[in-house]
Amino acid sequence: DTGVSQNPRHKITKRGQNVTFRCDPISEHNRLYWYRQTLGQGPEFLTYFQNEAQLEKSRLLSDRFSAERPKGSFSTLEIQRTEQGDSAMYLCASSHSPRQGAREKLFFGSGTQLSVL
Amino acid sequence: QKEVEQNSGPLSVPEGAIASLNCTYSDRGSQSFFWYRQYSGKSPELIMSIYSNGDKEDGRFTAQLNKASQYVSLLIRDSQPSDSATYLCAVGVLSRDDKIIFGKGTRLHILP
Repeated sequence: DTGVSQNPRHKITKRGQNVTFRCDPISEHNRLYWYRQTLGQGPEFLTYFQNEAQLEKSRLLSDRFSAERPKGSFSTLEIQRTEQGDSAMYLCASSHSPRQGAREKLFFGSGTQLSVL
Repeated sequence: QKEVEQNSGPLSVPEGAIASLNCTYSDRGSQSFFWYRQYSGKSPELIMSIYSNGDKEDGRFTAQLNKASQYVSLLIRDSQPSDSATYLCAVGVLSRDDKIIFGKGTRLHILP
């Protein structure tokens, strides 16, 4: 399978617990994005990486959210002290962007559906 | 002002007719424009990309870009029930390292 892989597919947690999601991008892709999507809304940008460098984190995100891409391959997204408002689909996407300003096309994983009880 | 705006719909179109989906964006420096289709419970998939003013055709799909008006549209000819989905407009925001920003999406319903 050469697509974007996300694990787990579903996560149910209690409020206040920490959760971590993993994304494995397409192997030759150097950019990796995390988005959050709730019902009836488009994907909301969270953060993205160029190789191992985190280029931007949405100012809408609290400090409870952190993401890493330590070797420029897979990435993890951690949410600490989860709240019910964190319930959403968390989407990962990757692209090949050879240079800044390139016309990248995103390929999405199947997402992780988080439910905070 | 939101960076990428779309009418959320639903837009109902008879089978065989032309469906027209619209999108406006706020960053004049944007260079890349995309349309993604998302079926219920699935992830977005890319159907069209456009980078220059004018029209770009791919099968039954035509993307139109007008940078002066900051307007992007998608036309679907000979609409089929399988085209029923949410269509997401996405824009590469050059001022932010070409970060890809999505609109809320337009729900399209093709009436058999």
